[in-house]
Amino acid sequence: DMKVTQMPRYLIKRMGENVLLECGQDMSHETMYWYRQDPGLGLQLIYISYDVDSNSEGDIPKGYRVSRKKREHFSLILDSAKTNQTSVYFCASSLAQSQNTLYFGAGTRLSVL
Amino acid sequence: AQSVTQPDARVTVSQGASLQLRCKYSYSGTPYLFWYVQYPRQGLQLLLKYYSGDPVVQGVNGFEAEFSKSNSSFHPRKASVHWSDSAVYFCAVSRNSGTYQRFGTGTKLQVVP
Repeated sequence: DMKVTQMPRYLIKRMGENVLLECGQDMSHETMYWYRQDPGLGLQLIYISYDVDSNSEGDIPKGYRVSRKKREHFSLILDSAKTNQTSVYFCASSLAQSQNTLYFGAGTRLSVL
Repeated sequence: AQSVTQPDARVTVSQGASLQLRCKYSYSGTPYLFWYVQYPRQGLQLLLKYYSGDPVVQGVNGFEAEFSKSNSSFHPRKASVHWSDSAVYFCAVSRNSGTYQRFGTGTKLQVVP
């Protein structure tokens, strides 16, 4: 079953707290992504991972870092969360080539108070 | 660099009416064009994609689209929409190997009785 799983689905944090968002996929995809979705802005790429320990910044990496120690697992970390990081975060995975379909998780709705 | 613009933030159509969604693509070289659909509280799912071959593409849920290189267009259309088509639709573009998909801001489709 082809699936991208995100945990947690909903999260409320206070400003300055650390946040860990987790993502797993069961398709052995090389490439994984973290996007955030904001009204009127669509999806913006935060980080892309081409494989284990091979990560690159996307369009809006400031304030975020990632970790990929296993091919099937990709984490997004917010050190000292800010209120402007309130958003819906989507993880996705794909085969390596850029013509391939992205498979998305259901998203994590993060509120930073 | 590639980019996409979705000119319509919201579209309202009557059930049974025809539909065409719009996206303006900007790219160099050979593009890979995608449309994704996002149902409420879910992640994005592939609707259509084009990267080579027959310019007419059949997607899911009765959608089809035709790639026009001269017009830089790839607009999904459906002959008769159903209330279950109500969702947010995103276009995306990538290019050759090493690039990632860039998304438009989305078009929210509402199908009314």
